[in-house]
Amino acid sequence: EAQVTQNPRYLITVTGKKLTVTCSQNMNHEYMSWYRQDPGLGLRQIYYSMNVEATDKGDVPEGYKVSRKEKRNFPLILESPSPNQTSLYFCASSLYREAYEQYFGPGTRLTVT
Amino acid sequence: AQSVAQPEDQVNVAEGNPLTVKCTYSVSGNPYLFWYVQYPNRGLQFLLKYITGDNLVKGSYGFEAEFNKSQTSFHLKKPSALVSDSALYFCAVRDFSNDYKLSFGAGTTVTVRA
Repeated sequence: EAQVTQNPRYLITVTGKKLTVTCSQNMNHEYMSWYRQDPGLGLRQIYYSMNVEATDKGDVPEGYKVSRKEKRNFPLILESPSPNQTSLYFCASSLYREAYEQYFGPGTRLTVT
Repeated sequence: AQSVAQPEDQVNVAEGNPLTVKCTYSVSGNPYLFWYVQYPNRGLQFLLKYITGDNLVKGSYGFEAEFNKSQTSFHLKKPSALVSDSALYFCAVRDFSNDYKLSFGAGTTVTVRA
């Protein structure tokens, strides 16, 4: 089944404790992206990747890191999480950046206390 | 700069009645417009898109949307709503003249009562 998977689905952590949210797609997509969803703000792009070893900042990159060492994986790293990073996070992929349809993962709900 | 506005936080309709979810946009170039739906505890799912051509586009689950260039709108419609249509709906616009940037609206929660 073609899909985007994320882990973990739920995470509660404390301020300053490094964490990684994994994202993997099995559709051989070149383009991958991370979004955060906050009430009243819709989805805002954090980082995106055009292909392996090619990443770039989205609208709200502060406090986040990403890497793209393999085509299928695009982990999101929070080196020192803060409470304002409490949010619902989505990974998405598409065949290439210009492709019309993005495929979204199920989401990761992160709480930073 | 591009932006998407969904003026209604919530839309409530009775099952069997028409459903409309409003969206207006602002882009510098030609708009590429999308609707996504999010069911509880799920990721976003693609519903439909407007790229070019007929202003009325049809998508999944009986939804359609009408592109109106003069009003810069792309409203989502369904002639007869179902309880199972209750979800969070997002409008999005891609501006191909602005580095293919994709921007989402804030979302509209649709509740269809039986």
